[in-house]
Amino acid sequence: GDSVTQMEGPVTLSEEAFLTINCTYTATGYPSLFWYVQYPGEGLQLLLKATKADDKGSNKGFEATYRKETTSFHLEKGSVQVSDSAVYFCALNTPGAQKLVFGQGTRLTINP
Amino acid sequence: DAMVIQNPRYQVTQFGKPVTLSCSQTLNHNVMYWYQQKSSQAPKLLFHYYDKDFNNEADTPDNFQSRRPNTSFCFLDIRSPGLGDAAMYLCATSPGVSSTDTQYFGPGTRLTVL
Repeated sequence: GDSVTQMEGPVTLSEEAFLTINCTYTATGYPSLFWYVQYPGEGLQLLLKATKADDKGSNKGFEATYRKETTSFHLEKGSVQVSDSAVYFCALNTPGAQKLVFGQGTRLTINP
Repeated sequence: DAMVIQNPRYQVTQFGKPVTLSCSQTLNHNVMYWYQQKSSQAPKLLFHYYDKDFNNEADTPDNFQSRRPNTSFCFLDIRSPGLGDAAMYLCATSPGVSSTDTQYFGPGTRLTVL
């Protein structure tokens, strides 16, 4: 079945550091790919998405590129802030599935 | 602002005592979802409604039921909560069931079972 694998957390960085959170997927169809962020005690918020190969999603300084050849959708940010501390989920949805399949989440902590 | 609202934010119930969680939306979306998220885990889909059509995931226990009386509201009923049902319950909506559609999540209801 469809699945998403994210890099193990937790990840701890200093403010202004470069961030990469790896995400790879396995899908039987042609998926759309998503990054969601969950702040403590809250629901999930869409961070960015890409719906076809080579699309780049971007929002709030975060970027991810849909790479079909490597089945990856890695999340990057050039300079992280303390306010970026949260759990990040990579997810996919394939035609006909009618649901999101999530990775296990990566907890990110940014220290001042 | 258009949004997804969940009530209550925190719910405490006793083992075996039925409980209902509520979700409402002002987005006028056709699809509403219920996810269960246990501590430090990914959300897991329980079921969803596409308009009035109910779609249950194969591994969702019978103990979990849902109702959607109108477009705006959807309820999650847990008939006999067990300790293993303690979790965050997330409601989400989307315009349709296309794989490209974004799902919009509410803040969640954290359920404690004593």
